[in-house]
Amino acid sequence: QKEVEQDPGPLSVPEGAIVSLNCTYSNSAFQYFMWYRQYSRKGPELLMYTYSSGNKEDGRFTAQVDKSSKYISLFIRDSQPSDSATYLCAMEGSGAGSYQLTFGKGTKLSVIP
Amino acid sequence: KAGVTQTPRYLIKTRGQQVTLSCSPISGHRSVSWYQQTPGQGLQFLFEYFSETQRNKGNFPGRFSGRQFSNSRSEMNVSTLELGDSALYLCASSQVPAGANVLTFGAGSRLTVL
Repeated sequence: QKEVEQDPGPLSVPEGAIVSLNCTYSNSAFQYFMWYRQYSRKGPELLMYTYSSGNKEDGRFTAQVDKSSKYISLFIRDSQPSDSATYLCAMEGSGAGSYQLTFGKGTKLSVIP
Repeated sequence: KAGVTQTPRYLIKTRGQQVTLSCSPISGHRSVSWYQQTPGQGLQFLFEYFSETQRNKGNFPGRFSGRQFSNSRSEMNVSTLELGDSALYLCASSQVPAGANVLTFGAGSRLTVL
Protein backbone atom coordinates (compact mmCIF):
# COMPACT_ATOMS: atom_id res chain seq x y z
CA GLN A 1 0.00 0.00 0.00
CA LYS A 2 1.39 3.39 -0.99
CA GLU A 3 1.65 5.96 1.78
CA VAL A 4 -0.59 8.39 -0.12
CA GLU A 5 -3.38 7.34 -2.45
CA GLN A 6 -5.02 9.73 -4.87
CA ASP A 7 -7.52 8.94 -7.62
CA PRO A 8 -5.74 9.87 -10.87
CA GLY A 9 -8.95 10.68 -12.72
CA PRO A 10 -9.17 12.16 -15.25
CA LEU A 11 -12.03 14.24 -13.92
CA SER A 12 -14.09 16.32 -16.31
CA VAL A 13 -16.69 18.83 -15.06
CA PRO A 14 -18.72 21.68 -16.58
CA GLU A 15 -17.80 25.27 -15.78
CA GLY A 16 -19.37 26.42 -12.52
CA ALA A 17 -19.45 22.96 -10.94
CA ILE A 18 -18.16 22.13 -7.47
CA VAL A 19 -15.12 19.88 -7.66
CA SER A 20 -14.08 17.50 -4.91
CA LEU A 21 -10.56 16.06 -4.88
CA ASN A 22 -9.44 13.57 -2.26
CA CYS A 23 -6.45 11.73 -0.85
CA THR A 24 -6.07 9.03 1.73
CA TYR A 25 -2.90 8.22 3.61
CA SER A 26 -1.56 5.54 5.89
CA ASN A 27 1.27 7.25 7.79
CA SER A 28 0.02 8.61 11.11
CA ALA A 29 3.17 10.74 11.41
CA PHE A 30 2.00 13.14 8.70
CA GLN A 31 1.23 16.51 10.28
CA TYR A 32 1.24 18.98 7.40
CA PHE A 33 -1.07 18.68 4.43
CA MET A 34 -0.78 20.57 1.18
CA TRP A 35 -2.41 20.87 -2.19
CA TYR A 36 -0.39 21.78 -5.24
CA ARG A 37 -1.62 22.60 -8.74
CA GLN A 38 0.47 21.74 -11.78
CA TYR A 39 -0.20 23.07 -15.25
CA SER A 40 1.24 21.30 -18.27
CA ARG A 41 4.97 21.89 -18.70
CA LYS A 42 5.18 23.76 -15.40
CA GLY A 43 6.33 22.93 -11.89
CA PRO A 44 3.75 22.44 -9.13
CA GLU A 45 2.55 25.57 -7.34
CA LEU A 46 1.23 25.61 -3.79
CA LEU A 47 -2.49 26.21 -3.45
CA MET A 48 -3.08 25.67 0.24
CA TYR A 49 -1.54 24.09 3.29
CA THR A 50 -3.03 23.07 6.61
CA TYR A 51 -1.73 21.75 9.86
CA SER A 52 -3.68 19.07 11.69
CA SER A 53 -7.40 18.45 11.29
CA GLY A 54 -9.94 21.06 10.26
CA ASN A 55 -10.95 23.29 7.39
CA LYS A 56 -9.18 26.13 5.66
CA GLU A 57 -10.75 28.40 3.06
CA ASP A 58 -9.08 30.63 0.47
CA GLY A 59 -11.39 32.19 -2.08
CA ARG A 60 -13.00 29.44 -4.13
CA PHE A 61 -10.81 26.76 -2.53
CA THR A 62 -11.47 24.86 0.71
CA ALA A 63 -9.11 22.28 2.17
CA GLN A 64 -10.29 19.75 4.73
CA VAL A 65 -8.20 17.40 6.84
CA ASP A 66 -9.62 14.52 8.88
CA LYS A 67 -6.68 12.93 10.67
CA SER A 68 -8.88 10.36 12.42
CA SER A 69 -9.89 8.97 9.02
CA LYS A 70 -6.53 9.78 7.36
CA TYR A 71 -8.42 11.60 4.63
CA ILE A 72 -7.92 15.02 3.07
CA SER A 73 -10.02 16.90 0.53
CA LEU A 74 -9.85 19.94 -1.68
CA PHE A 75 -13.07 21.58 -2.84
CA ILE A 76 -13.20 24.04 -5.71
CA ARG A 77 -16.36 26.14 -5.97
CA ASP A 78 -17.55 27.79 -9.18
CA SER A 79 -14.88 25.96 -11.18
CA GLN A 80 -13.36 27.83 -14.13
CA PRO A 81 -11.62 26.59 -17.29
CA SER A 82 -8.42 28.10 -15.85
CA ASP A 83 -8.67 25.52 -13.03
CA SER A 84 -7.90 22.78 -15.57
CA ALA A 85 -4.68 21.26 -14.28
CA THR A 86 -3.33 18.32 -12.30
CA TYR A 87 -3.92 18.60 -8.55
CA LEU A 88 -1.43 16.96 -6.21
CA CYS A 89 -1.88 16.34 -2.53
CA ALA A 90 1.29 16.33 -0.44
CA MET A 91 2.10 15.54 3.15
CA GLU A 92 5.00 16.04 5.52
CA GLY A 93 5.83 14.35 8.79
CA SER A 94 8.04 15.34 11.67
CA GLY A 95 11.33 14.00 12.95
CA ALA A 96 12.80 11.65 10.37
CA GLY A 97 10.00 12.61 7.99
CA SER A 98 10.81 16.28 8.03
CA TYR A 99 12.06 18.22 5.04
CA GLN A 100 10.49 15.84 2.53
CA LEU A 101 7.04 15.78 1.03
CA THR A 102 5.18 12.62 0.08
CA PHE A 103 2.93 13.27 -2.89
CA GLY A 104 -0.13 11.60 -4.29
CA LYS A 105 0.09 10.80 -7.98
CA GLY A 106 -2.22 13.67 -8.87
CA THR A 107 -5.74 14.05 -10.27
CA LYS A 108 -6.07 15.56 -13.73
CA LEU A 109 -9.00 17.99 -13.83
CA SER A 110 -10.63 19.44 -16.94
CA VAL A 111 -13.24 22.19 -16.59
CA ILE A 112 -15.31 22.40 -19.75
CA PRO A 113 -16.67 25.85 -20.76
CA LYS B 1 11.17 38.49 -7.17
CA ALA B 2 12.70 35.82 -9.39
CA GLY B 3 11.43 32.29 -8.96
CA VAL B 4 13.33 29.03 -8.82
CA THR B 5 15.48 28.67 -11.94
CA GLN B 6 16.47 25.29 -13.32
CA THR B 7 18.89 24.63 -16.14
CA PRO B 8 18.91 23.06 -18.61
CA ARG B 9 15.18 22.78 -19.29
CA TYR B 10 15.52 19.88 -21.70
CA LEU B 11 18.30 17.42 -22.36
CA ILE B 12 18.84 14.12 -24.09
CA LYS B 13 21.48 11.63 -22.98
CA THR B 14 22.33 8.03 -23.79
CA ARG B 15 22.58 5.12 -21.40
CA GLY B 16 25.79 5.07 -19.39
CA GLN B 17 26.38 8.80 -19.58
CA GLN B 18 26.12 11.13 -16.64
CA VAL B 19 24.21 14.37 -16.24
CA THR B 20 24.38 17.42 -13.99
CA LEU B 21 21.32 19.60 -13.37
CA SER B 22 21.46 23.03 -11.81
CA CYS B 23 19.05 24.93 -9.57
CA SER B 24 19.07 28.53 -8.37
CA PRO B 25 16.66 29.04 -5.46
CA ILE B 26 14.60 32.10 -4.67
CA SER B 27 16.77 34.78 -3.10
CA GLY B 28 16.83 34.29 0.66
CA HIS B 29 15.71 30.66 0.52
CA ARG B 30 18.31 28.43 2.12
CA SER B 31 16.70 25.03 1.66
CA VAL B 32 16.74 23.27 -1.71
CA SER B 33 14.95 20.00 -2.44
CA TRP B 34 14.98 17.78 -5.50
CA TYR B 35 12.15 15.59 -6.75
CA GLN B 36 11.79 13.18 -9.66
CA GLN B 37 8.46 13.12 -11.50
CA THR B 38 7.43 10.25 -13.77
CA PRO B 39 4.01 9.22 -15.08
CA GLY B 40 4.24 5.88 -13.29
CA GLN B 41 5.54 6.91 -9.87
CA GLY B 42 4.50 10.55 -9.64
CA LEU B 43 6.65 12.92 -7.62
CA GLN B 44 9.31 11.22 -5.53
CA PHE B 45 11.67 12.89 -3.09
CA LEU B 46 15.38 12.70 -3.93
CA PHE B 47 17.15 14.85 -1.32
CA GLU B 48 17.07 18.10 0.61
CA TYR B 49 19.91 20.49 1.43
CA PHE B 50 20.22 23.31 3.91
CA SER B 51 23.39 25.34 4.44
CA GLU B 52 25.36 22.93 2.25
CA THR B 53 24.29 19.93 4.36
CA GLN B 54 22.07 17.10 3.17
CA ARG B 55 19.36 16.74 5.80
CA ASN B 56 17.26 14.05 4.21
CA LYS B 57 17.54 11.60 1.35
CA GLY B 58 14.93 9.58 -0.50
CA ASN B 59 15.07 5.97 -1.55
CA PHE B 60 17.17 6.30 -4.71
CA PRO B 61 20.38 4.48 -5.66
CA GLY B 62 23.78 6.02 -5.04
CA ARG B 63 23.98 7.05 -8.71
CA PHE B 64 21.87 10.03 -7.69
CA SER B 65 23.81 12.65 -5.79
CA GLY B 66 23.60 16.31 -5.07
CA ARG B 67 25.28 19.21 -3.43
CA GLN B 68 24.58 22.75 -2.33
CA PHE B 69 26.93 25.68 -2.55
CA SER B 70 27.46 28.51 -0.08
CA ASN B 71 25.18 30.79 -2.14
CA SER B 72 22.38 28.16 -1.76
CA ARG B 73 22.53 27.16 -5.44
CA SER B 74 22.33 23.41 -5.88
CA GLU B 75 23.28 20.77 -8.40
CA MET B 76 22.24 17.17 -8.75
CA ASN B 77 24.14 14.54 -10.65
CA VAL B 78 23.04 11.21 -12.06
CA SER B 79 25.81 8.86 -13.13
CA THR B 80 25.62 5.80 -15.37
CA LEU B 81 22.24 6.79 -16.75
CA GLU B 82 19.57 4.14 -17.26
CA LEU B 83 16.47 4.30 -19.45
CA GLY B 84 14.34 4.48 -16.31
CA ASP B 85 15.99 7.74 -15.29
CA SER B 86 14.00 9.54 -17.98
CA ALA B 87 11.87 11.95 -15.99
CA LEU B 88 11.13 15.54 -15.07
CA TYR B 89 13.54 16.60 -12.32
CA LEU B 90 12.10 19.32 -10.15
CA CYS B 91 13.97 21.58 -7.80
CA ALA B 92 12.18 23.47 -5.03
CA SER B 93 13.30 26.02 -2.51
CA SER B 94 11.99 27.02 0.89
CA GLN B 95 12.64 29.59 3.57
CA VAL B 96 12.24 26.75 6.06
CA PRO B 97 9.81 28.43 8.41
CA ALA B 98 8.88 26.67 11.60
CA GLY B 99 6.41 24.01 10.64
CA ALA B 100 5.62 22.88 7.14
CA ASN B 101 8.34 22.88 4.55
CA VAL B 102 6.39 25.00 2.06
CA LEU B 103 8.07 24.58 -1.29
CA THR B 104 8.28 26.77 -4.37
CA PHE B 105 9.08 24.67 -7.42
CA GLY B 106 10.97 25.47 -10.58
CA ALA B 107 9.72 24.46 -14.01
CA GLY B 108 11.93 21.39 -14.04
CA SER B 109 14.60 19.80 -16.20
CA ARG B 110 13.21 17.17 -18.54
CA LEU B 111 15.74 14.38 -19.05
CA THR B 112 15.36 11.82 -21.81
CA VAL B 113 17.69 8.82 -21.75
CA LEU B 114 18.01 6.91 -25.03
